[in-house]
Amino acid sequence: AQSVTQLDSHVSVSEGTPVLLRCNYSSSYSPSLFWYVQHPNKGLQLLLKYTSAATLVKGINGFEAEFKKSETSFHLTKPSAHMSDAAEYFCVVSGGKLTFGQGTILTVHP
Amino acid sequence: ETGVTQTPRHLVMGMTNKKSLKCEQHLGHNAMYWYKQSAKKPLELMFVYNFKEQTENNSVPSRFSPECPNSSHLFLHLHTLQPEDSALYLCASSQEVLAGGRETQYFGPGTRLLVL
Repeated sequence: AQSVTQLDSHVSVSEGTPVLLRCNYSSSYSPSLFWYVQHPNKGLQLLLKYTSAATLVKGINGFEAEFKKSETSFHLTKPSAHMSDAAEYFCVVSGGKLTFGQGTILTVHP
Repeated sequence: ETGVTQTPRHLVMGMTNKKSLKCEQHLGHNAMYWYKQSAKKPLELMFVYNFKEQTENNSVPSRFSPECPNSSHLFLHLHTLQPEDSALYLCASSQEVLAGGRETQYFGPGTRLLVL
């Protein structure tokens, strides 16, 4: 069995400040982990993925995530938020089929 | 056209109607997926096709009927839907279905369905 928990349903930051979106997972297998972003009225876009290579994964638009097996976490970070980062973010675990988290809505204030 | 396209983008239907959602991928992939995204619920996988063969049906009611005539096209035929079926239906594709689910899926923009 596998599951994924996004610890915050909403995160609000000011433009130019760091972003942290938290994700914990459980999996019986060595999982693949993904972060997707969904802008309003759009499909999901892949930000980055971890597949047992380097534990620090760099993605598009300045995002990165660190796989921490001991903490079963895969938190998404960005050093400086931009207004265009406002969207919903999904953490996804795959140990056979994809399991999506409930999503975190990121709001960026000017 | 590039990526994954879905038509229509919006659909309103009555409970007695029959309609179809269409998905087309221009990425040369061999696997295609249907997902349901309801408000305040995680994305739910509905169906998976790998090389035109259905490999997963996630206990989806029979009022949803998928069809995959070739690796580039995927349909979802709808009939006698219920209001609770109103949701965003997302199509995705990947190169193929890999063991451990390591493939990257590419999503279309979705069809917003409202059942009255």
